[in-house]
This record gives sequence, structure tokens and C-alpha cells, in this order.
Amino acid sequence: ETGVTQSPTHLIKTRGQQVTLRCSSQSGHNTVSWYQQALGQGPQFIFQYYREEENGRGNFPPRFSGLQFPNYSSELNVNALELDDSALYLCASSSDPSSYNEQFFGPGTRLTVL
Amino acid sequence: TQLLEQSPQFLSIQEGENLTVYCNSSSVFSSLQWYRQEPGEGPVLLVTVVTGGEVKKLKRLTFQFGDARKDSSLHITAAQPGDTGLYLCAGARWTNAGKSTFGDGTTLTVKP
Repeated sequence: ETGVTQSPTHLIKTRGQQVTLRCSSQSGHNTVSWYQQALGQGPQFIFQYYREEENGRGNFPPRFSGLQFPNYSSELNVNALELDDSALYLCASSSDPSSYNEQFFGPGTRLTVL
Repeated sequence: TQLLEQSPQFLSIQEGENLTVYCNSSSVFSSLQWYRQEPGEGPVLLVTVVTGGEVKKLKRLTFQFGDARKDSSLHITAAQPGDTGLYLCAGARWTNAGKSTFGDGTTLTVKP
């Protein structure tokens, strides 16, 4: 069974640029959630995708957008990057979007915005 | 607004000591999870609790969910250096199923 994978591992961008982060969910999982974890803080929920549809969104501006593909992998896109977007971006997959189902996290993508 | 408050923020102890970390909220959660995260890695799930008053044990770790499902604690007996890491609690609610709210964590250091 393959776990959650994310790419790239690290990324450096400059202010105003755009970035795309990728996540492959665990085998058999149809739900992917994205989180932003700033240094010294807990993960903050960005949005969740279930069967290719957005299924809930946290307090993030529209320049944070996403996609889920038929194989349930997912992308997080961030436009017009700001310095405060520097963080560890985590994706988590689960077998169902219900609150009881365990989420399994990937290792994250470390984004640095200069 | 931080819905989940974890305490203490930092904890440094000697190997063999016992410790308890807390996760408190004014909100009711349908489930609460504890994770451990090491530097440069994603959080790893330790336990999920769903019933008020529930106690779960995982080797030397004991997790308790408050009767009102607003708070939780994690107790570690005879801590070992391998327990070092960031301990995060995360709550989910029926109205927002699957979208977990995380606390800012407790950073635990166990010295040999």
C-alpha cells in the first residue's frame, strides 16, 4: 500500500509568482485535504476535495485554488505569492470525508517566498 | 480565533519521567485526534477519540477525551528520547465533517 506522497519537497519562489503543489493520495482514498503550517504553528485547513469536487474551505483567499483528478490525486495552486505564504504545505488523504475517518498526511512541501 | 489551545507549548524532561499535555476548547467536537510530528515530516496519527469520557491506551501513551467532548489530554509514562517531537491535537465537528482544526502543538524534548 502506497502512502501519501507530495512534490516537490522544497520550492523557492519570489513575491508575485504562482506555484503548483502536487499530492498523490493513499491507495483507496477518495478525499484529499490541504493544510498550511507556518513555522511554530499547527496546520491550518485550506480546503478539501472529495470525488473531484471542493467539499469545504477554510479562511484562505481565492488566490488559493485546487483541483482533484479522477485518480484522486490533487493540486494546490497559489497565485500572486506573498511573503506570508512561506510555510509547509501538507496534504492528507482519507477514505471518506466524515469526521471519524483517519487522515494520513504526506511529508509536505516546504515553500519559501522571497 | 484559535479554537484549540494546547499546553504547555514547550516541555523538556528527563528520560523516565511522566508528563501530561492538554488540549482545551470552548467548542464541542465530534471527534478529536492526536498526532506526532517530527521536523520536516507530516503529522502521524496516534489516536482518534469520539466518545465523551473515552480513554485509549497506546503502550505508554494514555489519551482521554473530556466528558463534554471539549477537551483532551495525553499522558506519557516513563518518557523515552524517542518520544521527542511535536504533539498536535485536532478536532472535527459534525457540521464541518473531515475539516480538522489543529492546535499549535506541544514541543516535547526528552533528554537521555
